Amino acid sequence: ELKVEQNPLFLSMQEGKNYTIYCNYSTTSDRLYWYRQDPGKSLESLFVLLSNGAVKQEGRLMASLDTKARLSTLHITAAVHDLSATYFCAAHADSNYQLIWGAGTKLIIKP
Amino acid sequence: NAGVTQTPKFQVLKTGQSMTLQCAQDMNHEYMSWYRQDPGMGLRLIHYSVGAGITDQGEVPNGYNVSRSTTEDFPLRLLSAAPSQTSVYFCASSYSPPGTGFNGYTFGSGTRLTVV
Repeated sequence: ELKVEQNPLFLSMQEGKNYTIYCNYSTTSDRLYWYRQDPGKSLESLFVLLSNGAVKQEGRLMASLDTKARLSTLHITAAVHDLSATYFCAAHADSNYQLIWGAGTKLIIKP
Repeated sequence: NAGVTQTPKFQVLKTGQSMTLQCAQDMNHEYMSWYRQDPGMGLRLIHYSVGAGITDQGEVPNGYNVSRSTTEDFPLRLLSAAPSQTSVYFCASSYSPPGTGFNGYTFGSGTRLTVV
């Protein structure tokens, strides 16, 4: 059974700093998805990682996938307040039509 | 282009009442799904559909029914509401189901349901 774990679950950081959110999954999955959710809002797709070694970047966010280590990372560079949100990763369970989601990382970036 | 439309946005039910959460998409997506979101638990799949007339259970289907009579609509029915069903419900759709060809969901804006 596929399980997805994110850490940390809560992160408070200063503007201008760098940090990484980790997403580990327990069984084989070659696809990993990152979403952002602002408070009280819906989820917005950030990155779709479809193969081992995939790296995608948008602005101050960069996501990567290592399928051998069963690990995806979301790296934040020189954080700004607008990046404050909850970030979710999700992996596809190969045996069915389901995504399994991490619990989310609540990121607060202080000026 | 409306995307995925959910109604209502907020609802308060009494224990034992039934209701239907509506979800409609105008993108001709074959795959539609319902999730619930609870604090600290991420999203959990309730039911999903790979096309009109085809539905299947997800991770937490008990207490919920779905049907898919058209490509556009995928309503979620709560049969007899319980306080444990207090949650935020999201409808999501995509051209293809998770797997080959899947590039992520389009989510609706959510329904915040409280059962008292």
